Amino acid sequence: GQNIDQPTEMTATEGAIVQINCTYQTSGFNGLFWYQQHAGEAPTFLSYNVLDGLEEKGRFSSFLSRSKGYSYLLLKELQMKDSASYLCAVRTGGGNKLTFGTGTQLKVEL
Amino acid sequence: EAGVTQSPTHLIKTRGQQATLRCSPISGHTSVYWYQQALGLGLQFLLWYDEGEERNRGNFPPRFSGRQFPNYSSELNVNALELEDSALYLCASSLRDRTGNTIYFGEGSWLTVV
Repeated sequence: GQNIDQPTEMTATEGAIVQINCTYQTSGFNGLFWYQQHAGEAPTFLSYNVLDGLEEKGRFSSFLSRSKGYSYLLLKELQMKDSASYLCAVRTGGGNKLTFGTGTQLKVEL
Repeated sequence: EAGVTQSPTHLIKTRGQQATLRCSPISGHTSVYWYQQALGLGLQFLLWYDEGEERNRGNFPPRFSGRQFPNYSSELNVNALELEDSALYLCASSLRDRTGNTIYFGEGSWLTVV
């Protein structure tokens, strides 16, 4: 089966940097996604990694190590609007079926 | 360009009734996915349709079913509703199944079963 672990909650200060970790145990790994979800809203796509290494996109970066079954999402220059749930999702096998972690609720404080 | 649209936004049903949720994918997307997000739980994969056919199904009972129409829009039906079916139902779409295609989500339909 598939197993994806993320911390349940994290708190960080406005302007700081925060790293949200995700570990996974899956068969047939075929890419890892990060989504942001504000309460009551749809998940919005942040990043996609299929090869090892770092993908940078503005204030957000995502890293993947396939051999370790590990990814992290790095958020820089935190803003209050970054307070949301961050979802790690793994695609396995062919097709676009994603298995999601339960999400990490990030709270950004002044 | 319009994103994934879902209707209704909110739906209240009584236990034992049937619910029908609708989804229109992003223009040009042929794959549609349905996910359930119950309170406090992660997104659970329900169904995947592509080119009008069911391609994959999650671990849900047969009373969860759906279909995809020729215009690629989709419908999710939940029969014999149970209280634990209360959840946010998210529809997503992507280009035809191909590695690397991003999946885009709609705003979801809140289903409450009383």
